[in-house]
Amino acid sequence: QSALTQPVSVSGSPGQSITLSCTGTSSNIGTYNFVTWYQQYPGKAPKLLIYDVTERPSGISDRFSGSKSGNTASLTISRLRPEDEAHYYCSSYTFDYDFVVFGGGTKLTVL
Amino acid sequence: QAQLQQWGAGLLKPSETLSLTCAVYGGSSSDYYWSWFRQTPGKGLEWIGKVNPGGSGNSNPSLASRVTMSLDTSKRQFSLKLSAVTAADTALYYCARVVKNNFYVNAWGIGTTVTVSS
Repeated sequence: QSALTQPVSVSGSPGQSITLSCTGTSSNIGTYNFVTWYQQYPGKAPKLLIYDVTERPSGISDRFSGSKSGNTASLTISRLRPEDEAHYYCSSYTFDYDFVVFGGGTKLTVL
Repeated sequence: QAQLQQWGAGLLKPSETLSLTCAVYGGSSSDYYWSWFRQTPGKGLEWIGKVNPGGSGNSNPSLASRVTMSLDTSKRQFSLKLSAVTAADTALYYCARVVKNNFYVNAWGIGTTVTVSS
């Protein structure tokens, strides 16, 4: 069981917007603004999408955006594309480890 | 842009020691934690341990008693040993570069599949 809770699967249609959630506790998301989102395709290493809750690395589309409220972080993907179909993982710094924990991942299906 | 190249044995018997090494090509070394993660279909991504630029480090409390990590700055390599492996340690293992003070991975190794089987 992962420290952060993500829905197992989410689906959407091309052009739509979807929001993926990531719920933690006051030991991680609720207190620290070190929430990260990764995208992972089968057989590939995770790819950084969002760091520090809302920041996008250079080269990442502005269709991806992050936010946080209380103990829950969110990743919004707007104008869905077929190539967005992948697994998405959230991560957060945690006081418990003085390092990071992950969510179990959400499989996004673009119908 | 840094590249991480990792290697190590992929098939182990129960009670043996897992040994992986990761070489870093490009980029600085002082601004990062050098880390190990693993991934399984059942448990997802899991942090194993990290080494600071000075060579000290810590690991996931659930694995700490079995984990040894080291850093060779002259070779720009860091290593992981996990002792007394069981089938539960079967996973895809990644080395990674974690940005200090922001705690995100901005460079991953390609991954090494480790299978523990008698």
